[in-house]
Amino acid sequence: EVQLVESGGGLVQPGGSLRLSCVASGFPFSPYSMNWVRQAPGKGLEWLSYIRTSSSMIYYADSVKGRFTISRDDAKNSVFLQMNSLRAEDTAVYYCVRSVQYGFDHWGQGNLVTVSS
Amino acid sequence: QSALTQPPSASGSPGQSVTISCTGTSSDIGGYNFVSWYQQHPGKVPKLLIYEVTKRPSGVPDRFSASKSGNTASLTVSGLQAEDEADYYCNSYSGSNSLLFGGGTKLTVL
Repeated sequence: EVQLVESGGGLVQPGGSLRLSCVASGFPFSPYSMNWVRQAPGKGLEWLSYIRTSSSMIYYADSVKGRFTISRDDAKNSVFLQMNSLRAEDTAVYYCVRSVQYGFDHWGQGNLVTVSS
Repeated sequence: QSALTQPPSASGSPGQSVTISCTGTSSDIGGYNFVSWYQQHPGKVPKLLIYEVTKRPSGVPDRFSASKSGNTASLTVSGLQAEDEADYYCNSYSGSNSLLFGGGTKLTVL
């Protein structure tokens, strides 16, 4: 069974940093591209970042470019999202998502990040 | 990177069909066959319904179908059932190396 388990969320002050982690299991991790997608409370889905196999290509949404960094460690079946200069509008549930041909086929349960003083 | 445009709401009676549109531009929906659709029930994780415009993952009922014409993609839910009441989101690859979601459509089964 495919499982994606996120961790690292929580409460952080504006301007602060957090690092989200996602550990994958139940499938061979290295051949798959991975993404981070978030959903603000009561709002829609927002794609944030994509990382291809072997980190060969990385994309970011304009809203997080320059502040967030995606990375992966295939030896640990893990993908990460380093989030810096956090703002109140970054408050959301953050999902780790596997993609196949740009379709998001498996989602983690989500990890809440709250940016507030 | 503007979001794709979806109607905020749609509705239909049990057994009927309903179609949800998703409008983009020639730089996203119109330019690539990487449109996908997701269903999200309240408090739940989104579920992939359609990928690559028309393909259904295993386990998704064939009541869910999709298409694309020009810059607009569409999801049709046939034989509406109560459990189809949920939020639906479209997504497309964009030529600016990004992926865009639509704003979401709340489907109500009357």
